[in-house]
Amino acid sequence: QKEVEQDPGPLSVPEGAIVSLNCTYSNSAFQYFMWYRQYSRKGPELLMYTYSSGNKEDGRFTAQVDKSSKYISLFIRDSQPSDSATYLCAMSAQDTGRRALTFGSGTRLQVQP
Amino acid sequence: DVKVTQSSRYLVKRTGEKVFLECVQDMDHENMFWYRQDPGLGLRLIYFSYDVKMKEKGDIPEGYSVSREKKERFSLILESASTNQTSMYLCASSGLGQGLPYEQYFGPGTRLTVT
Repeated sequence: QKEVEQDPGPLSVPEGAIVSLNCTYSNSAFQYFMWYRQYSRKGPELLMYTYSSGNKEDGRFTAQVDKSSKYISLFIRDSQPSDSATYLCAMSAQDTGRRALTFGSGTRLQVQP
Repeated sequence: DVKVTQSSRYLVKRTGEKVFLECVQDMDHENMFWYRQDPGLGLRLIYFSYDVKMKEKGDIPEGYSVSREKKERFSLILESASTNQTSMYLCASSGLGQGLPYEQYFGPGTRLTVT
């Protein structure tokens, strides 16, 4: 079993829809949770960052972490065609000596105009 | 602005060739990483380095080696390229000086095809 599970999609939604992207994980030591966005033929770029549990909002994007369920979500409101990309969740344990991230496999999102 | 650059966007090599992938970052980051990205498998860590001349194996180091002679530069070496090393290779860096803790900044990737 992978440490981080993410539905690969593709997820296709109409413009203006609310999008929900999710990851589950098994390592209870994870403390830092991130969402990266990757456009086609580009490297991933950090979109949202959350430490421990709770919600974080940034414009149309909301990240949620539920550590009790080992479940994280990214919500996109009023989705736009420019949001079409692959979204990768990533996480790290606070005390890891590796300073590396564990990534989900990514969910491909298509927002239809 | 953090910048991570990779030496090539596309590379085609023959089986058995020695391949060098170069990565340079300009943010004085301590940590540098090499991942490969394959459909359905996400990003898998090959090697990483947290200091000059230091390296640690990631999850899939077999068939690869790395070199970090200078802080800003991290090289990935395929000693004898094989077709199963055809992939997208992504370099990343992170550090405590700039950006969020553990935030990794990625280069644009090198798409390597081994024939």
